[in-house]
Amino acid sequence: DAKTTQPPSMDCAEGRAANLPCNHSTISGNEYVYWYRQIHSQGPQYIIHGLKNNETNEMASLIITEDRKSSTLILPHATLRDTAVYYCIVRVPNAGGTSYGKLTFGQGTILTVHP
Amino acid sequence: GAVVSQHPSRVICKSGTSVKIECRSLDFQATTMFWYRQFPKQSLMLMATSNEGSKATYEQGVEKDKFLINHASLTLSTLTVTSAHPEDSSFYICSATPGPYETQYFGPGTRLLVL
Repeated sequence: DAKTTQPPSMDCAEGRAANLPCNHSTISGNEYVYWYRQIHSQGPQYIIHGLKNNETNEMASLIITEDRKSSTLILPHATLRDTAVYYCIVRVPNAGGTSYGKLTFGQGTILTVHP
Repeated sequence: GAVVSQHPSRVICKSGTSVKIECRSLDFQATTMFWYRQFPKQSLMLMATSNEGSKATYEQGVEKDKFLINHASLTLSTLTVTSAHPEDSSFYICSATPGPYETQYFGPGTRLLVL
């Protein structure tokens, strides 16, 4: 899997948009970008994923640059409950063998939403 | 949808005993399940991948005889920590996926404390 680089921490004011960047300059053409978040002492929560096009769901938007070397997760109106560690992961859809699309977690970005 | 449960949520045991942790997919059939471990202030580390009806694939450095994984049905995988020692104390998290390269959904985690 391609490695990702994320800032270790970010702050955001409640009600404002939180924009979390991720660099994945060595991403391959068939690797997807996945975002998960982990609230303290809980299991990770799936947020969104994409390959080339921008994606939006009820939780967030994912903006992937045209060269696919970086992406940004956007939480449009951050709340205090969005305080968590956010993980950006790139993953092959089918690596063959026994990888079964496993995820490799980095250190993520600690997002703190303050009042 | 896509709910994964774990039981128990926390367990305290004496050194030398064995502990079983269950992971269930509640609203989908999981052909593949993954087991992770997370130590304090660290990221998730994949321990093993299990496919229904076959032997688990362990990551390098994970003792297969110590961490027994059984994936006997499409909705249940179990992790047994045999002869647990204090250094096995950790947060154990499972994930499940409808297909080997589809989105993984995580359980809430099990906190193990070995005295």
